[in-house]
Order: sequence, then C-alpha cells, then structure tokens
Amino acid sequence: SAVISQKPSRDICQRGTSLTIQCQVDSQVTMMFWYRQQPGQSLTLIATANQGSEATYESGFVIDKFPISRPNLTFSTLTVSNMSPEDSSIYLCSAAPGREDLTDTQYFGPGTRLTVL
Amino acid sequence: ILNVEQSPQSLHVQEGDSTNFTCSFPSSNFYALHWYRWETAKSPEALFVMTLNGDEKKKGRISATLNTKEGYSYLYIKGSQPEDSATYLCAFFPGSARQLTFGSGTQLTVLP
Repeated sequence: SAVISQKPSRDICQRGTSLTIQCQVDSQVTMMFWYRQQPGQSLTLIATANQGSEATYESGFVIDKFPISRPNLTFSTLTVSNMSPEDSSIYLCSAAPGREDLTDTQYFGPGTRLTVL
Repeated sequence: ILNVEQSPQSLHVQEGDSTNFTCSFPSSNFYALHWYRWETAKSPEALFVMTLNGDEKKKGRISATLNTKEGYSYLYIKGSQPEDSATYLCAFFPGSARQLTFGSGTQLTVLP
C-alpha cells in the first residue's frame, strides 16, 4: 500500500496567479498521476508524472497551463498557472505502486480544494 | 471518449437497509474495473479491483460483481450504516489505454 499526502489541502487564489501543489508518497512508486474533479464532474486525468522526464498530458491539458515535476520516485508537484475561476476544482494526486497495467490498486491523496476568485 | 455511467446519482437509505448501485462501461476491450469509496475531505479509498468476468469480491458488508460481456458491475452494501455514507466511484481500464476512466459516482447517504 501507499500513503499519500498533499499540500496545501485547500487554497483561495486570485485570478492570474499560480499555485503549486505538492504530493508526497511514503514509499517509492512506479507511476504517479494528477487528476482534477470540477464541480459536479467525474475525476479526470490531467497527466501522468514521469520520473526524470516530461509528464504525459491527456487531451485538453497542456504543459504551459499545468507544469508537472517528478524529481524522484516519491514526490511530484503540479502547478496550476495563470488561474481563472474555471480552474476551481479538487486536484488529486494518485500513485500506482506496482504494475503499470493498472490492474492493481491506485492510491489517492486527500486532494487540494482550489477556489479561484 | 469512453462512457462510464453510474446510477443512481444519489441515494438515501435508512440505517440497516441493504442497497446496491450500478456501474456501466464499454463491454469491448475490458481489462479492469476499480471501485473506490470517497468520503468528503478524505482520500478516495480503494475497495476492489476486478479483472475477470463473473468475478465477485467481498470486503466486510460490501461486495461487488462483474459482468464484462454486458458491461456492468454492481456494488452491494448489506445492512448500511451511517459510516457508509460516501461517494462510490467506479473506474474502467481498457487494455487500449493507459488511464482509468471514472464514472461520476453514486452519493450514498445512510440516515440513522
């Protein structure tokens, strides 16, 4: 199993600013992911954070808006850049400690609740 | 875009009642189906990962079944308790993708 912590747990930000969310896993993991849940919507994958290389972004998400770092096997950051009210969401970090085929359990952090004014 | 549907969207039951809800997913190219339980302000908690047609999994009072040929999974809660109140999410993993596609969840409220 894996225990995941995220910082900050919540924030209220002004339009046009940026926020960096940190994700720490208590053990080395193969895969780390960043998700977003907009109000009333499903969890949507933003990107897969790759250790030592650029993140793999899903359709509709770009590196300039959501730069991601993953310097080692236990830590990742997601930055939400040039924020607008539409970025108000819960952002979740997730890790898959074992296999890359996603037939194993994924573990989630508690989320960061972001409100953009 | 994969279509993963959960029903009902929300559900209120009395303490002690048994309940169930549904996750529907594409029946082709199935690889795995995940169930999660998400309480407000906490981390989503993994309940089950199901990979085989006809699979049944159980964890305490919660169980799940899987039918990959018709593309659905049921989650059952026996003798609901107020602490079961949460949003229950299913997530579909097809072999052709590298990501989970989540349903929008069933929000369960168990009234004492």
